[in-house]
Amino acid sequence: KQEVTQIPAALSVPEGENLVLNCSFTDSAIYNLQWFRQDPGKGLTSLLLIQSSQREQTSGRLNASLDKSSGRSTLYIAASQPGDSATYLCAPQGSGNTGKLIFGQGTTLQVKP
Amino acid sequence: KAGVTQTPRYLIKTRGQQVTLSCSPISGHRSVSWYQQTPGQGLQFLFEYFSETQRNKGNFPGRFSGRQFSNSRSEMNVSTLELGDSALYLCASSLDGPRSYNEQFFGPGTRLTVL
Repeated sequence: KQEVTQIPAALSVPEGENLVLNCSFTDSAIYNLQWFRQDPGKGLTSLLLIQSSQREQTSGRLNASLDKSSGRSTLYIAASQPGDSATYLCAPQGSGNTGKLIFGQGTTLQVKP
Repeated sequence: KAGVTQTPRYLIKTRGQQVTLSCSPISGHRSVSWYQQTPGQGLQFLFEYFSETQRNKGNFPGRFSGRQFSNSRSEMNVSTLELGDSALYLCASSLDGPRSYNEQFFGPGTRLTVL
């Protein structure tokens, strides 16, 4: 059974800092892994998708890496801004369970001006 | 291209009633998944439909059911509502084609409150 852990649970940083969010998962037989952000009371916005054969994926100030064999992914946010304040969720999708995402509890990020 | 839409956005019901939530996927997407989000349990997978067939199911009681129509729109139904069913219900769609890598796109959710 896939279990996902995200560390830290909460993070507060001043604007401009670079930061790393960590995600670990127990079952390495994944098809892909997605990172999402969620604003309070809203739906999820897809940030990055990393295929199981990829090591990293970049979009603007965001860079996500994947080490499938060790069950780890990191999301790097460069030059953080107050608008980055949200909850960040990682979700692996199992190779035999496409369409089913398993979520961690997320990391709640606050970027102070 | 319009995103995933969910109706209604907010719903208040009382214990014992039943409720139906609707999800319209992104045009061309064939897979629709449903999730329940609560403060205590986080995001939990309910079920996934593809081509009008349930392809995956999570660990929820039989009071939770769903279906998908030929135009890929999906509905989920919760019968005999309990207080613990109060949650944000999220729907996600994906293309499920050879180059889509099953990227999931989420709707804004339906906030269900059971009194």
